[in-house]
Formats: sequence, structure tokens, C-alpha cells
Amino acid sequence: EIVLTQSPGTLSLSPGERATLSCRASQSVSSSYLAWYQQKPGQAPRLLIYAASSRATGIPDRFSGSGSGTDFTLTISRLEPEDFAVYYCQQYGSSPRTFGQGTKVEIK
Amino acid sequence: QVQLVESGGGVVQPGRSLRLSCAASGFNFSGNGMHWVRQAPGKGLEWVAVISYDGSNKYYGDSVKGRFTISRDISKNTLYLQMNSLRAEDTAVYYCAKDRGRISYIFDSWGQGTLVTVTS
Repeated sequence: EIVLTQSPGTLSLSPGERATLSCRASQSVSSSYLAWYQQKPGQAPRLLIYAASSRATGIPDRFSGSGSGTDFTLTISRLEPEDFAVYYCQQYGSSPRTFGQGTKVEIK
Repeated sequence: QVQLVESGGGVVQPGRSLRLSCAASGFNFSGNGMHWVRQAPGKGLEWVAVISYDGSNKYYGDSVKGRFTISRDISKNTLYLQMNSLRAEDTAVYYCAKDRGRISYIFDSWGQGTLVTVTS
């Protein structure tokens, strides 16, 4: 099983700042089959990024993904008030498909 | 637009059964795989099960294999999860999620979730 470790656990930033979230895999993620989801309190997750760097439909271009192998990054170029949430990475290249434990982006 | 509406959650005793439903609209239901993903209170996400676009293939997470059954009714645009032999550790919000393709394991639309609480 591929274990995904996200860091930091919590990121305290101000609106307008840049957020950099890390997702590290215990084994190489095949074909960069990695996705990122955003979840706000009391809401369902929302797909942001798939295939490591492809934005999902309707996702603003301030969200970008990068990485390959075992190291992946989600970057939010300038935080908007609605971006404060929990972010999960997920690998879907190997069975069982697994999620990271999440990174909370909170207002500083 | 895509809409997924789950129902059927509630409080149930350990060892009992429950069936969840997910009514789908706004897309070609017979063209995409469908999943159940759960989230225990205050915890992260766990994939539970998937059914292929035509219902011919079904796969399960190890924690539910042999106890849960996923199915779909194309005529009713509805996804189901039959949960038997429930345990306390099955307590979670259960989301149905649309696959981005036939079975890609990319979840591009989610329902609002239904809470299942297993307690004596």
C-alpha cells in the first residue's frame, strides 16, 4: 500500500500569501496518478488537480500542481478568503487507492 | 450540472444492515464509474467501493470486502451501497462520487454525504 504523507499538518497564512503544500509517497506513484482535493467544513471534497498538474473543470488558475515519483506539491499562488480549507492528496495509480491525512490551511 | 444526492444513513446497531442510495442527475449515468468514499468523524478520506460504468466490475476496500455490496440501477439513475455486519468502525459520512471516466479513481463530483452511526 502506498502511504501518502502530507506536510505541514497546518499552514497558517494571510490572504494574498502563497501556499505550498507537500505530499510525499512511500513508493513511486505510477504515471503521476496523483490528485488534490479541497474540503471545507461541513462540505464534500472538491476535485482541484488530477494527473499531478491538470486542473479540474472550473478550478481557478491560482491553483497549480507539480511533482512526480514520490514528491508532489500543490501551490496556491495568492490565497483568497474562500481557499482556507483542508486539502487532501490521493494516489490512484496503485491498489489500494489511498489519501493523505490532509493539510489544513488556516487564516493567520 | 451534476447532482448526487445520498440518502439512507442513520443510527444502527452493530451487526445490523443498512442500504445507502445515491440519486444521480445532470450527466450520463451509464457512462461513468461510481464510487463510495467515507470519512469517519474528524478523520480523513477512505475509498470504499467502485462499480464500473456498466455494472460489470466491482471492487472493494479491504476493510469492507465481504460485508458491503455496491450496485447501480441504470433505469433509476441510482447507486446503492448495501452494508451488512456493520461495525463501530464503519461510523462515517458516506459520500457517493462520480468517476471522471469508466474507472479512473478520480472523483470529479461528490454528493453532500449521508451519516452512518453504528452504536449499541
